[in-house]
Amino acid sequence: EDKVVQSPLSLVVHEGDTVTLNCSYEVTNFRSLLWYKQEKKAPTFLFMLTSSGIEKKSGRLSSILDKKELFSILNITATQTGDSAVYLCAVETTSGNTPLVFGKGTRLSVIA
Amino acid sequence: DAGVIQSPRHEVTEMGQEVTLRCKPISGHNSLFWYRQTMMRGLELLIYFNNNVPIDDSGMPEDRFSAKMPNASFSTLKIQPSEPRDSAVYFCASIAGWTGELFFGEGSRLTVL
Repeated sequence: EDKVVQSPLSLVVHEGDTVTLNCSYEVTNFRSLLWYKQEKKAPTFLFMLTSSGIEKKSGRLSSILDKKELFSILNITATQTGDSAVYLCAVETTSGNTPLVFGKGTRLSVIA
Repeated sequence: DAGVIQSPRHEVTEMGQEVTLRCKPISGHNSLFWYRQTMMRGLELLIYFNNNVPIDDSGMPEDRFSAKMPNASFSTLKIQPSEPRDSAVYFCASIAGWTGELFFGEGSRLTVL
């Protein structure tokens, strides 16, 4: 069974801290890994990663994939209170009947 | 584009009642997904459609749940009869093709008393 595991489950940091969120996966026929941010409502897309070792960056957020060790990290530098959210990792496969498998998310709280 | 549109946004109902959740995907997207989110289980895929055809409904909890997609612009998720353990946020999402970014609606928060 395809599996995506995120850690930690929750995290509380102070503004200005740097955080690293982890996502490991066990899936057959990996296609891509996606990160989403979920605040109060729907998840919104952050990154899609398909190749190992190539960092994707958007402002203070960056992410990288390791297809050999089967994990990805999402880094947020100089955190702000607006970064408080649940961060979801999802893996897309080419096989079976479930194109996206989600992890349970990491709840990040940034306090002033 | 208005994005994925779901209704109702919130519903509170009593155990045993029928619940119908509605979704309008983004125009031109040919795959539609229904997810359920709870604190305990996270985001779970219930069912998904490709070109209006159900592809995989193995995530549907039991026979009380059913979903339809009569045309490319509309889908429903029905729970009959509803139970308190069905309380969750139900998300609809759509995608163009099979791969890439999934676009989520704002969710329908269901509370079954």
